[in-house]
Amino acid sequence: ETGVTQTPRHLVMGMTNKKSLKCEQHLGHNAMYWYKQSAKKPLELMFVYSLEERVENNSVPSRFSPECPNSSHLFLHLHTLQPEDSALYLCASSQEVVAVINTGELFFGEGSRLTVL
Amino acid sequence: TQLLEQSPQFLSIQEGENLTVYCNSSSVFSSLQWYRQEPGEGPVLLVTVVTGGEVKKLKRLTFQFGDARKDSSLHITAAQPGDTGLYLCAVTPLGGSEKLVFGKGTKLTVNP
Repeated sequence: ETGVTQTPRHLVMGMTNKKSLKCEQHLGHNAMYWYKQSAKKPLELMFVYSLEERVENNSVPSRFSPECPNSSHLFLHLHTLQPEDSALYLCASSQEVVAVINTGELFFGEGSRLTVL
Repeated sequence: TQLLEQSPQFLSIQEGENLTVYCNSSSVFSSLQWYRQEPGEGPVLLVTVVTGGEVKKLKRLTFQFGDARKDSSLHITAAQPGDTGLYLCAVTPLGGSEKLVFGKGTKLTVNP
């Protein structure tokens, strides 16, 4: 079983749809993250959760709504998205929030490829 | 302005060739990491460097952290098709209170 699993791997949705991305980590980590990866841009940090509490929200539009019911699961709820939101959404986890311990390792899932029509 | 500049953006080489990719900035970092992202996968950590001038080797990969801790290089010897992927550098700015910042990456293709 891989450390961080994401579902679905691919998602196509219309601008009026509501969908959710799911992430599960089997590593016993305390921190979980959502990143957005678009072509020709650096990885953009969207949200950080530490022990189920959101510790960072990087000015992400409200059409993206995260949920962390426990330290092993993270969701990203999507509604009324725009075509420019099409990207690869990566979930990651780490033992603690990486910035706190500087040299911590992020463990990424395989990503969910989102296309908004 | 970008905190990190990775170069080149794209690199296509033949199997067996050597290559070097770079991660540069005008800022000083407390640590720097290199990740490799293979097609269809998430990034995987290759190495973390924390000391200025540090050199680490991972089989055919050699990583160097600049003396001033503002830049890093990754050298691959005798590249293989399995080295194909996006190489990302990520840094923790000095102070340790800011989030991990990623560069745009170098997309490497090694042709058989």
